[in-house]
Amino acid sequence: DVKVTQSSRYLVKRTGEKVFLECVQDMDHENMFWYRQDPGLGLRLIYFSYDVKMKEKGDIPEGYSVSREKKERFSLILESASTNQTSMYLCASKPRQGRFNSPLHFGNGTRLTVT
Amino acid sequence: AQKVTQAQTEISVVEKEDVTLDCVYETRDTTYYLFWYKQPPSGELVFLIRRNSFDEQNEISGRYSWNFQKSTSSFNFTITASQVVDSAVYFCALSEYSNYQLIWGAGTKLIIKP
Repeated sequence: DVKVTQSSRYLVKRTGEKVFLECVQDMDHENMFWYRQDPGLGLRLIYFSYDVKMKEKGDIPEGYSVSREKKERFSLILESASTNQTSMYLCASKPRQGRFNSPLHFGNGTRLTVT
Repeated sequence: AQKVTQAQTEISVVEKEDVTLDCVYETRDTTYYLFWYKQPPSGELVFLIRRNSFDEQNEISGRYSWNFQKSTSSFNFTITASQVVDSAVYFCALSEYSNYQLIWGAGTKLIIKP
C-alpha cells in the first residue's frame, strides 16, 4: 500500500524555535507538497518540489523554507516559529506523469502548536 | 479568476438521510479536472473521485454519487442513506491544465448523527 508518512502527529513548540516537519513517501513520486490547513480557509500551498533539490513557492511561503535532498523526503522548516504558524500541516505527493490529473496522496498531518 | 466555492460550511443530518454537498468552480481553461477528497477525524485526506472537463456523465459508487454540470460550473456530491462513518470534512478541488497547483474549496464539515 502506498504511503506518505509525517514524522509527528502532534508537536508543541515555543515562539522563536526552529521547527522541522518531516515527510517521507514510498511511492517514488517526483512531486511533493506542503500545505497548511486552517478552519474556513481550506488548504493553502506553502511550498512544493518537483524533483530533488528543486523547490517552488506556493501561496504562503513567508516564514517557511523547505529541503529536498532525497527523492523520498521533503522537509518543511519554520526558521523562527511564531504563534500565527499554529496550524495543521499536510504533506502530499504525486507522480510527475499526470501532474495535472493525478490525485494527491496525503500523510496524516502534523498538528503544530506554537506557544 | 480561479476559484472553488463550497458554500456550505457545515451540514448536520440524521443517519439514513440523503445529503448533497455543493461545489461551484470558476475557470477560464477548457481542459481541467475536478476532485473530491474526504478528511475523516483521523486527518488524512482521502481521494474520492476525479472528473475531467470533457466527461459530464454522472458517477455512482455505492452510496456516493457525483453530478457534474458544466452549464452551471458545479460538481456536487450526494451521499444516499448517510451513515455515521460518513462524518468528515469534504473538499472539492480544481486542477487546470494551465496551472500546476490544485485550487481548493474551503471544505464542508458533514456531521451524521445516529
